[in-house]
Parts: sequence; structure tokens; C-alpha cells
Amino acid sequence: QKEVEQNSGPLSVPEGAIASLNCTYSDRGSQSFFWYRQYSGKSPELIMSIYSNGDKEDGRFTAQLNKASQYVSLLIRDSQPSDSATYLCAVNIRTDKLIFGTGTRLQVFP
Amino acid sequence: DGGITQSPKYLFRKEGQNVTLSCEQNLNHDAMYWYRQDPGQGLRLIYYSQIVNDFQKGDIAEGYSVSREKKESFPLTVTSAQKNPTAFYLCASKGAYEQYFGPGTRLTVT
Repeated sequence: QKEVEQNSGPLSVPEGAIASLNCTYSDRGSQSFFWYRQYSGKSPELIMSIYSNGDKEDGRFTAQLNKASQYVSLLIRDSQPSDSATYLCAVNIRTDKLIFGTGTRLQVFP
Repeated sequence: DGGITQSPKYLFRKEGQNVTLSCEQNLNHDAMYWYRQDPGQGLRLIYYSQIVNDFQKGDIAEGYSVSREKKESFPLTVTSAQKNPTAFYLCASKGAYEQYFGPGTRLTVT
């Protein structure tokens, strides 16, 4: 079992819809969880971090964490074509390293 | 203007040559990281350093070397011992909790 798992996609949603990206992790001791956005040919950009159970909202983005289910998700409201990218989930297994999922490719079509 | 810089953006080398990739940060971060990204794969950790004059191997350190003589700088050398060096190399630094990436260096070895 991989330490951090994501569906590779592509996830296709129409413009204006809600995109829901999911991630599961194996280490119950994980404390910190991050979502990065990576456009094709570019480096990852941190868009959300979450540390406690529940929801955290930032603009059109909402991160959701459920430690009991070992599940973290990212919701993107009012999806735009500019949101089309690969979204990487990352989990802090120990304080010094992040473990990354392989990413979910999101396509938002007009 | 704070951030992480990597140079060069593109690098071409012949097989058998060592090459050094530069990474500099002015964020006053203690921890720095090197990752490799191959098409369709996640980020794989090569080396990381939590403090000056100290560094640890990541998951794929064979064929690579690093140094950390200054807090701001964490250069990566890709040696001729690395079997498949062609990849996108990403440097990152971490503050209290969050890790940020530089723009990356795309290395092609022929």
C-alpha cells in the first residue's frame, strides 16, 4: 500500500462546477497535510495546508481532513479553466519529510 | 523579493559528465530539500538538510551528492554514477510547517 494515494484522473468538470479531489494516507501518526497545484512544466505551488480535523476554507478552495478515516480532500468551487492542473497531496509523515501522492489531473472545460 | 531560485532552468549534458544544480533561498529557512520528478510519477526525495553542514539521504540518493555550507545554498551534483539522470529537479525549503518549491531545473543527459 502506498503511503499517500490519489486517483490519477483526469477528473473532468465543467466551468462553474465543484471539483472534488481526494487523497488517502496510511500513517495514522501523520500531523500535517498539504495540497499543491502544479501546472504542466512548472513547479508545485502550495495552495492549502490543514492540520486538524474539519474544514479549512481559503477563497474558492476548501480542504477537508478526517484523521479517523485517514482521508484528506480538496474542493474547488466555481471551477475555472485556469484551475486545470495536477493537484498533489502531501503528508508530513515525520516532521522533517513530506510524502507526496502522484497527483490528480484536473481538467475544467468551458 | 523573497523566494527560492534555481539555475539554470534548462541544462544539457553528455553522458559521463558530472553536473551541479544550484539552489538558493532568502527565506531564512533552515530546512532544504531536493526532489526529482519524472513524467507520470510523483516527487521523489533525493537529499535533505535541516541545518548547515548536515544533510541526510532521501529515497533515491544513489548517484547524487550535496553540500550545505551556507544556510541559503543547497547545491546538488548529479554524478556519472546516476543511471537515469534526465528528469525535472526541484529544490524546496521549509519554514515552520510549510514547504515551498523553486522553479526547477530540467536536466537532459544524452
